[in-house]
Amino acid sequence: AQKITQTQPGMFVQEKEAVTLDCTYDTSDPSYGLFWYKQPSSGEMIFLIYQGSYDQQNATEGRYSLNFQKARKSANLVISASQLGDSAMYFCAMRENLNNDMRFGAGTRLTVKP
Amino acid sequence: GAGVSQSPSNKVTEKGKDVELRCDPISGHTALYWYRQRLGQGLEFLIYFQGNSAPDKSGLPSDRFSAERTGESVSTLTIQRTQQEDSAVYLCASSRINTGELFFGEGSRLTVL
Repeated sequence: AQKITQTQPGMFVQEKEAVTLDCTYDTSDPSYGLFWYKQPSSGEMIFLIYQGSYDQQNATEGRYSLNFQKARKSANLVISASQLGDSAMYFCAMRENLNNDMRFGAGTRLTVKP
Repeated sequence: GAGVSQSPSNKVTEKGKDVELRCDPISGHTALYWYRQRLGQGLEFLIYFQGNSAPDKSGLPSDRFSAERTGESVSTLTIQRTQQEDSAVYLCASSRINTGELFFGEGSRLTVL
């Protein structure tokens, strides 16, 4: 069963505006971690941000923040003040404490328009 | 270098040949993962190694695929009797124990003619 769902195959945003990339997940493990990665056209996987299931505060890293809604099992990525260099594929991933493997969503392709 | 190293970076092979892909994780990282990424697609989990525990092979798509890891070091992914649908980038990643983010290699691009 799909554990990580990203429902937006593609998104467009105007430069300097904010954008939210959606991610929902499914787990019965009370302890888990949620991750977001960026994959530019060069193919490298770049870690952006992490949220632990027991973290009380939403994670933030520079222009990236994670809107963590535990009851809804969602972990949306918010990118503020978009830049042209933000154009890339973005993957949401989850790691459960019980089995530890890391599963990824299908990804969202973000295009920032000048 | 200090990162995850994969080789070869590119491999072109003929259908039916066997290929071996290598991953050298970051020193001290006990967890190692293999993923497959077809063109324009997401990351498909293949196999996960954690220390000396039995690997999680649940993502291997067929018995043509196998992987080994020696202790907490190098891993090899072997694809026997390659098929055209095996064409993809094979990504390796490692992490400390069972927490923290994954650090990815640059991938091995496999093309099966």
